[in-house]
Amino acid sequence: DIVMTQSPLYLPVTPGEPASISCRSSQSLLHRNGYNYLNWYLQKPGQSPQLLIFWVSNRASGVPDRFSGSGSGTDFTLKISRVEAEDVGVYYCMQALQSPDTFGPGTKVDIK
Amino acid sequence: QVQLVQSGAEVRRPGASVKVSCKVSGYSLSDILIHWVRQNLGEGLEWMGGFDPEDLERIYAKKFQGRFTMTEDTPTDTAYMVLSSLRYDDTAIYYCVTTLKDYGDGDAFDLWGQGTRVTVSS
Repeated sequence: DIVMTQSPLYLPVTPGEPASISCRSSQSLLHRNGYNYLNWYLQKPGQSPQLLIFWVSNRASGVPDRFSGSGSGTDFTLKISRVEAEDVGVYYCMQALQSPDTFGPGTKVDIK
Repeated sequence: QVQLVQSGAEVRRPGASVKVSCKVSGYSLSDILIHWVRQNLGEGLEWMGGFDPEDLERIYAKKFQGRFTMTEDTPTDTAYMVLSSLRYDDTAIYYCVTTLKDYGDGDAFDLWGQGTRVTVSS
């Protein structure tokens, strides 16, 4: 199975400041079609996870443009340009290149 | 509004089976592919099974093969999962998930059920 790792695992943030989460996979997530099969999810407290970004950098419908994703191969990054209070929760990266889909351990984002 | 509405919490003894339902509201089950993801309490997310985007065949994570089954009842727009030979570490929240929008074939799950808590306890 492809192993996903994330860092940091805990990220205290200040509203209005930027934040960045790193995700690494144990093997390349580049599909033969040229896309990297890497998605980002956010699980807010008490809620089901929600899709933020698919194929590394494509925002899901309704996701604010302060969220952006980048990377290729085995190294990926999720950035929040200016953190808002509603962004707290646990962020997960997930690979869907090879079955089984696997998730990272999650990065808990909290307000300082 | 499209929703995935799951059945209520369950408690089972070790060795028993559990069946969880996932009703599609506002859409047709025949137009989507339901996957199942679980979240062990205090831990992360684990994909259990779904559909291969290339041939639309059911695929199961090897970890659960032999004791995990997904079924669909299209007339009632309801998907089901059955997990058998339950162990204590199967205690978790189980989610049905799907992709509604045109987000490619990379399992970008943009719709999640509310989750069903399954507790395995003697």
